[in-house]
Amino acid sequence: GAVVSQHPSRVICKSGTSVKIECRSLDFQATTMFWYRQFPKQSLMLMATSNEGSKATYEQGVEKDKFLINHASLTLSTLTVTSAHPEDSSFYICSARDGRARKGYTFGSGTRLTVV
Amino acid sequence: AQTVTQSQPEMSVQEAETVTLSCTYDTSESDYYLFWYKQPPSRQMILVIRQEAYKQQNATENRFSVNFQKAAKSFSLKISDSQLGDAAMYFCAYRIKTSGSRLTFGEGTQLTVNP
Repeated sequence: GAVVSQHPSRVICKSGTSVKIECRSLDFQATTMFWYRQFPKQSLMLMATSNEGSKATYEQGVEKDKFLINHASLTLSTLTVTSAHPEDSSFYICSARDGRARKGYTFGSGTRLTVV
Repeated sequence: AQTVTQSQPEMSVQEAETVTLSCTYDTSESDYYLFWYKQPPSRQMILVIRQEAYKQQNATENRFSVNFQKAAKSFSLKISDSQLGDAAMYFCAYRIKTSGSRLTFGEGTQLTVNP
């Protein structure tokens, strides 16, 4: 089945630094990838949609200069949180769409980001 | 805009019993997909069941089944013979059929299974 690998699973960084999260489709080509943010006991909030080779589409209220998304290949998308602040601490999840017919969306295992 | 509503923040069930989780949605589309996802404490999102709107027959996956009422825009999940491993947050989700379209999630229902 389709597998999405997301790394790191946990990261702690200092305020003002940047951190990169990788989302990789291991056995399929991901034409579209999605990045979500999830606060404790809440639902997934879509941050942005990225299509390979084009700029990401950000949801309203999400700062594109703060949350940089790169989808340079059909198997890799990255989310970089720039100049991180404690309020950026959250759980980030990626999801990838398998481009093959009648395949669904597969989720990564998530990244817990703590900014200190 | 499409919305998904789960009116039960928390539910509990005795092991081996049956529980139903509710979900309603709002859309002007006629063809779309509906999903139930499970998020256990590991926080890995797991697809439980999927329903295509044009199919009248309710989807089933082993102990999991749905009651899809298209006119009422209702999509409930029934879990039969509940097991301790079913304890998790359950999310109802919707997406239109356009290729690469986004998933819209409900607020989630935290299910507790009591031994």
